[in-house]
Amino acid sequence: KAGVTQTPRYLIKTRGQQVTLSCSPISGHRSVSWYQQTPGQGLQFLFEYFSETQRNKGNFPGRFSGRQFSNSRSEMNVSTLELGDSALYLCASSVGRNTEAFFGQGTRLTVV
Amino acid sequence: AQTVTQSQPEMSVQEAETVTLSCTYDTSESDYYLFWYKQPPSRQMILVIRQEAYKQQNATENRFSVNFQKAAKSFSLKISDSQLGDAAMYFCAYRSAGDNDMRFGAGTRLTVKP
Repeated sequence: KAGVTQTPRYLIKTRGQQVTLSCSPISGHRSVSWYQQTPGQGLQFLFEYFSETQRNKGNFPGRFSGRQFSNSRSEMNVSTLELGDSALYLCASSVGRNTEAFFGQGTRLTVV
Repeated sequence: AQTVTQSQPEMSVQEAETVTLSCTYDTSESDYYLFWYKQPPSRQMILVIRQEAYKQQNATENRFSVNFQKAAKSFSLKISDSQLGDAAMYFCAYRSAGDNDMRFGAGTRLTVKP
């Protein structure tokens, strides 16, 4: 059974640009959550999608958005990139609530 | 808001020895889950062990066990017979029942010395 797949693995963008990251969950998993990991702030919850609906959102500005497709694949978008958006973005999938969350290997975003 | 605190930024253990990583949390909820995740240099977060708050029995997974003290809001991880492959960042995490967003501690970097 394939694990959680995140693409791309590495990304370099310029300030002011926008970026889209992709996450393919484990087959049968309907919940996808996104986290931002930085040395200064640690791991922070961005948002969760379940059956194409955003179910929960963390404390991030509106420049961070996401969506989920009917096949449960999810994308997150960051517009007007800032240097502080440089981070490892992790995606986690689970069957639903109160079930194990499995993480992908992350996308390392560098904003220059 | 729930917070998770890991007071040990770094820990070191000799191969084959036992080490305990500390975690405390703050919550007013009675129904929740606690986790320990391992993040090796590959960056992928790997679930080590999970504890349901309503279960009094401490969870165990092979060489990994927890000491869950609900009243004290403490959740420590014990690694027995440490192996070189155990070297990684370890994160303690809290999740409310019915939610999927996890609150993570700052992490403890574990070094295993041969």
